[in-house]
Amino acid sequence: DIQMTQSPSSLSASVGDRVTLTCRASQSVSTYLNWYHQTSGKAPKLLIFGASTLQSDVPSRFSGSGSGSDFTLTISGLHPEDFGAYFCQQTFISPYTFGGGTKVEI
Amino acid sequence: QLMQSGAEVKNPGASVLLSCKASGYSFTSYGISWVRQAPGQGPEWMGWISALNGNTRSAQKFQGRLTFTTDTSTTTAYMEMRSLTSDDTAVYYCAIDRVVGVDNAFDIWGQGTLVTV
Repeated sequence: DIQMTQSPSSLSASVGDRVTLTCRASQSVSTYLNWYHQTSGKAPKLLIFGASTLQSDVPSRFSGSGSGSDFTLTISGLHPEDFGAYFCQQTFISPYTFGGGTKVEI
Repeated sequence: QLMQSGAEVKNPGASVLLSCKASGYSFTSYGISWVRQAPGQGPEWMGWISALNGNTRSAQKFQGRLTFTTDTSTTTAYMEMRSLTSDDTAVYYCAIDRVVGVDNAFDIWGQGTLVTV
């Protein structure tokens, strides 16, 4: 199985901060990489698919980049509703593995 | 949207059947993936079923313990999991596995079902 490693595991930030999260795959997944945001007690919400394509209704302050094994999710100006956990997922090869997450805290 | 069945409490060794009722879209147009999340852990993809033809895929670690089915007349997907252990305690989600071009992603999720073993 492809292992997905996210860093950092947690970070503290303030409203308005620019934040960059990293996801690394144990082998190349091309651009078959999705990002999700989850707040406590709720289902994950899709933010970005195909490494860089913004899901509809997702604010433009979110952006994704990368290909192969290394990917980043950038939030250019944190809003209060952006706090929570972020997960990457590869859909290159089944099983479609997720990373362990980055928790963004105030 | 996807509406999942209620919380379950099971004894070790038992089976559980979870349901996921779809509405608001053409049910047979997309597959359904099942994902679970243990407390404090990242999500874990379990498997997928095509709502069009019933083809399935599942993660190797669950081989032999999972059965995915759909009922197109009620637009409902089901997942049965057998031989439960305490390690199966988690929130279980169904999600629409939507293909866009060459990409696929889970863009609509159910609210989740807590299974406690």
